Amino acid sequence: DQQVKQNSPSLSVQEGRISILNCDYTNSMFDYFLWYKKYPAEGPTFLISISSIKDKNEDGRFTVFLNKSAKHLSLHIVPSQPGDSAVYFCAAVEYGNKLVFGAGTILRVKS
Amino acid sequence: DADVTQTPRNRITKTGKRIMLECSQTKGHDRMYWYRQDPGLGLRLIYYSFDVKDINKGEISDGYSVSRQAQAKFSLSLESAIPNQTALYFCATSDSGRYYEQYFGPGTRLTVT
Repeated sequence: DQQVKQNSPSLSVQEGRISILNCDYTNSMFDYFLWYKKYPAEGPTFLISISSIKDKNEDGRFTVFLNKSAKHLSLHIVPSQPGDSAVYFCAAVEYGNKLVFGAGTILRVKS
Repeated sequence: DADVTQTPRNRITKTGKRIMLECSQTKGHDRMYWYRQDPGLGLRLIYYSFDVKDINKGEISDGYSVSRQAQAKFSLSLESAIPNQTALYFCATSDSGRYYEQYFGPGTRLTVT
């Protein structure tokens, strides 16, 4: 059973608008969460992270929100740009410093 | 030059063959990982190594083995390849301090026929 779930396989957004990517998790022992971005023919790259003691972390156009009671996190990209088109993976840190990844969401930003 | 390199980038092999995927890194990181990516399943951890003498099984280690030849080199072997090992394989590295920020190689696309 997947501990980290990204229920939307894909998302299409107009350039300049907000992109919201969602992620749910089941393991209440996760204490650190991350987002990775992946372009075709490349490996994933780290984007942004958040500790379980925070509810928000911001880095430029990217903001991650964490709702521990709902076991839910989201990534907001504002404003969205065509170069943001990629696969976005949500991940959580498991005991032993291992990462557990979600299945990914394909984001398409239309110009 | 890329910090994390993987060879080969693409490989087609037959069922039952032994195959090795290699990974090298120039980042000086102590931790290295092997993942596989399958559609709809995301990235799943196969094996990981926190230093040269430390090898650990991940979520899906059956059918795979690894060797950490040096701090910079971590290879993945499929002893007897089977079709359901067809996938995209990624090597990654991280520093023990920022272990969550993993640096991935470009991937190896493996097809087992």
